[in-house]
Amino acid sequence: GAVVSQHPSRVICKSGTSVKIECRSLDFQATTMFWYRQFPKQSLMLMATSNEGSKATYEQGVEKDKFLINHASLTLSTLTVTSAHPEDSSFYICSAILTRVGTDTQYFGPGTRLTVL
Amino acid sequence: GQQLNQSPQSMFIQEGEDVSMNCTSSSIFNTWLWYKQDPGEGPVLLIALYKAGELTSNGRLTAQFGITRKDSFLNISASIPSDVGIYFCAGQLIGNQFYFGTGTSLTVIP
Repeated sequence: GAVVSQHPSRVICKSGTSVKIECRSLDFQATTMFWYRQFPKQSLMLMATSNEGSKATYEQGVEKDKFLINHASLTLSTLTVTSAHPEDSSFYICSAILTRVGTDTQYFGPGTRLTVL
Repeated sequence: GQQLNQSPQSMFIQEGEDVSMNCTSSSIFNTWLWYKQDPGEGPVLLIALYKAGELTSNGRLTAQFGITRKDSFLNISASIPSDVGIYFCAGQLIGNQFYFGTGTSLTVIP
């Protein structure tokens, strides 16, 4: 099956620093990847759509200068949380779209737990 | 973004019982996906449905793509303790727009 990895799985950082999270599709190419944020006991909240070779599309209310997304290749998208603050602490999950003969299936990474002190 | 109506919100069942949950929407979807999420992990794809009326099984799990393309259900037969988790449905509109249900929290009592 399609595998999506995320790195790191957990990160603790000081307030004011930047953190980069990587999302990789290991056995398929993905033109489109998504970044989600999830709060405890809640559903996934879409932050942005990452498109290979073009600028990411951000959802309303998500600061693009705060959450920098780069989709430099068909297997890698990165999310950088800049000048992190405690309120940015959350579970971040990426996903990648596998397209086969007219069907699109979304596969998720294992998530990254970010804690900002 | 848009959320699908997923029910029930939570379920507490005895081991061995069958489980049924569903998602509905006012929009017509091209694809329905069902995921299971364990605490601290990303959602894992259980079943993908691509055609209206499609009925697909994966072990003890069975899911169907509603004929109106506005709903889908997931059944789990003979539940076991490791079925515990949160189940999400996801529907895809045109392009790469996916919408998620609010989740069903399943607790299996041994």
